[in-house]
Amino acid sequence: AQSVTQLDSQVPVFEEAPVELRCNYSSSVSVYLFWYVQYPNQGLQLLLKYLSGSTLVESINGFEAEFNKSQTSFHLRKPSVHISDTAEYFCAVRIIQGAQKLVFGQGTRLTINP
Amino acid sequence: AAGVIQSPRHLIKEKRETATLKCYPIPRHDTVYWYQQGPGQDPQFLISFYEKMQSDKGSIPDRFSAQQFSDYHSELNMSSLELGDSALYFCASSFSSGSTEAFFGQGTRLTVV
Repeated sequence: AQSVTQLDSQVPVFEEAPVELRCNYSSSVSVYLFWYVQYPNQGLQLLLKYLSGSTLVESINGFEAEFNKSQTSFHLRKPSVHISDTAEYFCAVRIIQGAQKLVFGQGTRLTINP
Repeated sequence: AAGVIQSPRHLIKEKRETATLKCYPIPRHDTVYWYQQGPGQDPQFLISFYEKMQSDKGSIPDRFSAQQFSDYHSELNMSSLELGDSALYFCASSFSSGSTEAFFGQGTRLTVV
């Protein structure tokens, strides 16, 4: 079975400061890795994903995540956050072969203070 | 582009009542997933369907059932509702062949009173 651990339930940061949201996973088989963002009263939106190839993946709004196989991590980072980044962020995995269901982490609430 | 459509967006039911949630996947997507997200919780996988057949099952209570129809839309039927069933219910869809990503709907917020 797969599991995902997001080490921080809440992360408050000031606007324009850098941020890192941590994600570790456990799986006995190869997985795809995802970050989803959930704005208040909204659905889940895919932020970025790692499938294969370059271990550093980027989103269009300045977020990036790096897959580290040895540490089984997929931390999300942004060098300078904006008020509009306030949201809940979920790390998720799914196995490459077989069932396509996603297993989510507990979520990290990112709060940006002016 | 068309997205995953869920209806209704909000639903209020009393204990012991039944509820039916509907999900219309993105056109040509053949796989549908249902997730339940309790207050302050992460989404939990309930059940999925591929080509109208159940493909995987998660933590779905026996009081719940679901199916996928010939037009690929799916319905989640919930009976004998309990207060603890109050949650946001998400549907997601994907195209099974070579797909790596599932697209989520906006969710149905079910409140049981």
